[in-house]
Amino acid sequence: NAGVTQTPKFRVLKTGQSMTLLCAQDMNHEYMYWYRQDPGMGLRLIHYSVGEGTTAKGEVPDGYNVSRLKKQNFLLGLESAAPSQTSVYFCASSSGFPGPGELFFGEGSRLTVL
Amino acid sequence: KQEVTQIPAALSVPEGENLVLNCSFTDSAIYNLQWFRQDPGKGLTSLLLIQSSQREQTSGRLNASLDKSSGRSTLYIAASQPGDSATYLCAVEGQGNLIFGKGTKLSVKP
Repeated sequence: NAGVTQTPKFRVLKTGQSMTLLCAQDMNHEYMYWYRQDPGMGLRLIHYSVGEGTTAKGEVPDGYNVSRLKKQNFLLGLESAAPSQTSVYFCASSSGFPGPGELFFGEGSRLTVL
Repeated sequence: KQEVTQIPAALSVPEGENLVLNCSFTDSAIYNLQWFRQDPGKGLTSLLLIQSSQREQTSGRLNASLDKSSGRSTLYIAASQPGDSATYLCAVEGQGNLIFGKGTKLSVKP
């Protein structure tokens, strides 16, 4: 049972570089989310998607872009990485939103921007 | 703007003790509330989901209650074990978002 899979798990970037985080879910969920988790800040929503081909901004969208070309995949892109984007990124998916919407999380992608 | 607060931020108890974790939220217009567990270096695992029309949910040694009118939820852990050591987060689902608390870090000592 794969559930939600994130790649890569670790990445180090230099300021100004770009990268894409990939999230894949095999539960046929409509809703997918990208969060970042920082010490003392908790989990904050970056972007989310309510279905294939749709995306929406969350609480902290600046500096990130997303795409949902296939239902099972949700990509998070950083066009020009900044040290403030050093964080642990979590992808999640759920069958419905608003509730009932049990959320399933990936194991996280730890990004360091130097 | 919805705010979710969890108290205490950290808790250390001896094995076998019953304990309560608290979660409070400022806007009672929620669809549901979820409790999650996060182990170090791992993602979040959903423990219990309480819909807005429900008062409580139980799973094994865990019991979560919800009082929307007062903006409070509690997670009760019975007969705690060292394997329960983790960070516990609550999250409320409202208008277009899921807002998380910062978590309670629980340590259960053998």
